[in-house]
Amino acid sequence: GQSLEQPSEVTAVEGAIVQINCTYQTSGFYGLSWYQQHDGGAPTFLSYNALDGLEETGRFSSFLSRSDSYGYLLLQELQMKDSASYFCAVRDHSNDYKLSFGAGTTVTVRA
Amino acid sequence: DTGVSQDPRHKITKRGQNVTFRCDPISEHNRLYWYRQTLGQGPEFLTYFQNEAQLEKSRLLSDRFSAERPKGSFSTLEIQRTEQGDSAMYLCASRPGTGTQETQYFGPGTRLLVL
Repeated sequence: GQSLEQPSEVTAVEGAIVQINCTYQTSGFYGLSWYQQHDGGAPTFLSYNALDGLEETGRFSSFLSRSDSYGYLLLQELQMKDSASYFCAVRDHSNDYKLSFGAGTTVTVRA
Repeated sequence: DTGVSQDPRHKITKRGQNVTFRCDPISEHNRLYWYRQTLGQGPEFLTYFQNEAQLEKSRLLSDRFSAERPKGSFSTLEIQRTEQGDSAMYLCASRPGTGTQETQYFGPGTRLLVL
C-alpha cells in the first residue's frame, strides 16, 4: 500500500513563498503528482514528477527526490487566489490505475 | 470548468434509500475514474474504466456500490441501501488514452448527505 504525509495547514502573506513537503511510502513508485482544490471546487492537476529534480510551471514548481521518498510543491509570489488545498498523490506498481492522495495541505494567503 | 460534468451536484437521502449519480466525461476521454472525498481528506479511489470495461475496483467499495459505463461514454455510480457513512463528495475524473494516469480532469462532484 501507500502512505503520504504532508502538513495540514500553511499560512502566508501575499507575495511570499510557500513550500509544501510530501513524504511517501510505496511498494514501487511511478512518480509524484500535485493537485489544487479550491473550497467547494474540483481538484485540478498541477504537476507530475517521474524523475528526480525540479519542474517549473510559472509561479509553481515541483521537486522530487526518489532516493529520499520526498517531494515538494513550491508556490512563489503568492496571490490571494492561491488559497486552496494542495494534494500530493502517488501511483505505485501494486496498482497501475490507482492514484493515492495525501490528506492535503490547506494554504491560506493573507493580505 | 474542466469539461467533466456530474449530476446531481447535491443529493440528500434517507438511510436505506438507493441513489444514482451520473458523470459525463470530456468526450474524447476513454478513461474514467470515480473517487470519494470526505471532509479534510484527499480523494479516495473507487473504480476505473477503460472505455466500457471496469478494470479496477477498490477493495474499499462494498457490494452496495456499483458503477457502469455501458457505451464507453457517460458513467453511473449507484449506492444501494445508503448508510450515514456514505455521506461524502463523489468525484468523477477522466483522461485521454494518451498521457499519464496522473493527469486527470475532475468534475465538480456530487455531494451526498445521508440522513
